Amino acid sequence: GQQVMQIPQYQHVQEGEDFTTYCNSSTTLSNIQWYKQRPGGHPVFLIQLVKSGEVKKQKRLTFQFGEAKKNSSLHITATQTTDVGTYFCAGLRNYGQNFVFGPGTRLSVLP
Amino acid sequence: DTGVSQDPRHKITKRGQNVTFRCDPISEHNRLYWYRQTLGQGPEFLTYFQNEAQLEKSRLLSDRFSAERPKGSFSTLEIQRTEQGDSAMYLCASRLIGTEAFFGQGTRLTVV
Repeated sequence: GQQVMQIPQYQHVQEGEDFTTYCNSSTTLSNIQWYKQRPGGHPVFLIQLVKSGEVKKQKRLTFQFGEAKKNSSLHITATQTTDVGTYFCAGLRNYGQNFVFGPGTRLSVLP
Repeated sequence: DTGVSQDPRHKITKRGQNVTFRCDPISEHNRLYWYRQTLGQGPEFLTYFQNEAQLEKSRLLSDRFSAERPKGSFSTLEIQRTEQGDSAMYLCASRLIGTEAFFGQGTRLTVV
């Protein structure tokens, strides 16, 4: 079955440092979504990527979809304490209807 | 408030008992998903509905698990003869085709 992997599992950064999490799928995806889950909360949608090589920005967050549509990344510039949480990618395989979530990258930001 | 409501928020039950959870999706959303999440893991797909039709079930969903969405609106997830391994957060999400999923706050199940 389809597997979605994320690295790193944990990341501790000093406030102001950059952060990147990588998502890799064992199969080609039709699209990928990113979610953020705060401690004790539920996943909240951040963005959806559909096109090969697509890059989208949301303020300090930059999302990228790989050319082969099998990997994606999320980069946060100049992290803030409000960025703390776990970032999940969720991939939708071609012709599939169900998003498969990665295990997430847990970000800690030290003030 | 995401608009997806789950009830109850917390459930403690004894091993062997049956439990039922409810999810009320965002009203115009035709797709409804159930996920299970354990500590430190990503949401794990269980099943999903398009309107009232259950279109896909995970192989992880044993015979003890059943889900319904009788009128294409709210959904219930029932676990029969609960086991300690069923302890997890059960998340419901809804969406329109092609758009993002909105998650509920989840039901945290503890089986003792």
